Amino acid sequence: EPEVTQTPSHQVTQMGQEVILRCVPISNHLYFYWYRQILGQKVEFLVSFYNNEISEKSEIFDDQFSVERPDGSNFTLKIRSTKLEDSAMYFCASSVGQRTYEQYFGPGTRLTVT
Amino acid sequence: DAKTTQPNSMESNEEEPVHLPCNHSTISGTDYIHWYRQLPSQGPEYVIHGLTSNVNNRMASLAIAEDRKSSTLILHRATLRDAAVYYCLKYGGATNKLIFGTGTLLAVQP
Repeated sequence: EPEVTQTPSHQVTQMGQEVILRCVPISNHLYFYWYRQILGQKVEFLVSFYNNEISEKSEIFDDQFSVERPDGSNFTLKIRSTKLEDSAMYFCASSVGQRTYEQYFGPGTRLTVT
Repeated sequence: DAKTTQPNSMESNEEEPVHLPCNHSTISGTDYIHWYRQLPSQGPEYVIHGLTSNVNNRMASLAIAEDRKSSTLILHRATLRDAAVYYCLKYGGATNKLIFGTGTLLAVQP
C-alpha cells in the first residue's frame, strides 16, 4: 500500500539554524500539507500546497517557514531560523483531491531545537 | 466554527464493540464528517468519512444521525492495536485544512 514517507525521523538543531524537513507524498496525490504537533498538544495545520503554490496557511506559518516541491516527488518544509518553540513533531500529508478527500499522513519528523 | 465535541476518554475490552460518539451541532450542509486516529508516536491515520448515509469500510463503521448533528464511530471488535486517540472532524467548505481537537483517548483492555 502506498504511503507518505518523511526524513529524517529525528532532527536536532541549534536555535537560529535552518532546517529542511523532507517528505515524499503518495505518487498520484496532488495536494500536500504540513502539520505540527507540540508534545502533548493538538495537531495543528501549517500549510497546504497545490499546483506549486501555497493554497492556504495558518498564523503559525510565518516568514520563517517556506515550502517547496523541488521535483516531482519531494515536498519540503524549511524553517529559516529555528526557535526553541519550533520543537515539535512535523507531519506531512497528501491527498488525491481537496476538501472532502482523506489525507494520508507520514510518520513525522521530530524536531528538537536546543 | 470547526469544533466538534467528543468525550475525553473511553475504555473498552478486547474483542468487544466500541461506539465513539461525536457531536457536531454546527455542521453545515456541505461539511463531511471525517474520523482519524493517532496511535502512540505515529501520525494521524484516516479511518472513515461520510456525509449523510451510514458508511462501512474495513476499519470501522460510521453512523450519522438523521439531523447530522452527531455521529458515532463503531469499531466492531476492538483489538489492542485500536488503542489510540480518535478524532472527529468536520471537513469541507472553502478550506483544505483538517482542524484537530483533543479527540477521545480509547484504552483497550485485554
